[in-house]
Amino acid sequence: LAKTTQPISMDSYEGQEVNITCSHNNIATNDYITWYQQFPSQGPRFIIQGYKTKVTNEVASLFIPADRKSSTLSLPRVSLSDTAVYYCLVGDKGRRDYKLSFGAGTTVTVRA
Amino acid sequence: DVKVTQSSRYLVKRTGEKVFLECVQDMDHENMFWYRQDPGLGLRLIYFSYDVKMKEKGDIPEGYSVSREKKERFSLILESASTNQTSMYLCASSLWGSTSSYEQYFGPGTRLTVT
Repeated sequence: LAKTTQPISMDSYEGQEVNITCSHNNIATNDYITWYQQFPSQGPRFIIQGYKTKVTNEVASLFIPADRKSSTLSLPRVSLSDTAVYYCLVGDKGRRDYKLSFGAGTTVTVRA
Repeated sequence: DVKVTQSSRYLVKRTGEKVFLECVQDMDHENMFWYRQDPGLGLRLIYFSYDVKMKEKGDIPEGYSVSREKKERFSLILESASTNQTSMYLCASSLWGSTSSYEQYFGPGTRLTVT
């Protein structure tokens, strides 16, 4: 499994855009990049996934450069309720016995 | 609506006791997972299963076993609980195949304290 590295914490203010970059230098050809969000006392929640270029949904955007050695999760116009831990994961969807590995994540704190 | 339920939100057990944590999903998912979460360590995969009666070790299987007799139910067993197994335990499930494999649905967690 490709190892991922992301910042331990980030602070922001309401209305700002938050960008979290995840490094995955050893990403393999079949690996997808997935991001999860976790609020206190809850299980993680799937946010977005992608393979290359850009993916956007109602929650976030995911930017993946051509070499795929990193990816950036972008949260537009954050609010206090976006305060959470964000996890970057890399895994091979093609294997039946695949598994995802969660690291320590990035704690994002949004202030008023 | 997608639903993963865990048998208890809070559990207190004594050292040496046998502990069963139950997880049930109602989405007909093939894959089920057990994680533990500790401060500063993120989520660590204990075991997972991609079919009934199938199991695979995750990153930290020592001291744990699992059982999957029915597709919707995945049990985590602590044969002889120890204080270092005090943790938050999270169950998850997902479909197998295509990109949906990456979308895991998590239960609310069980906070286990071993004294």
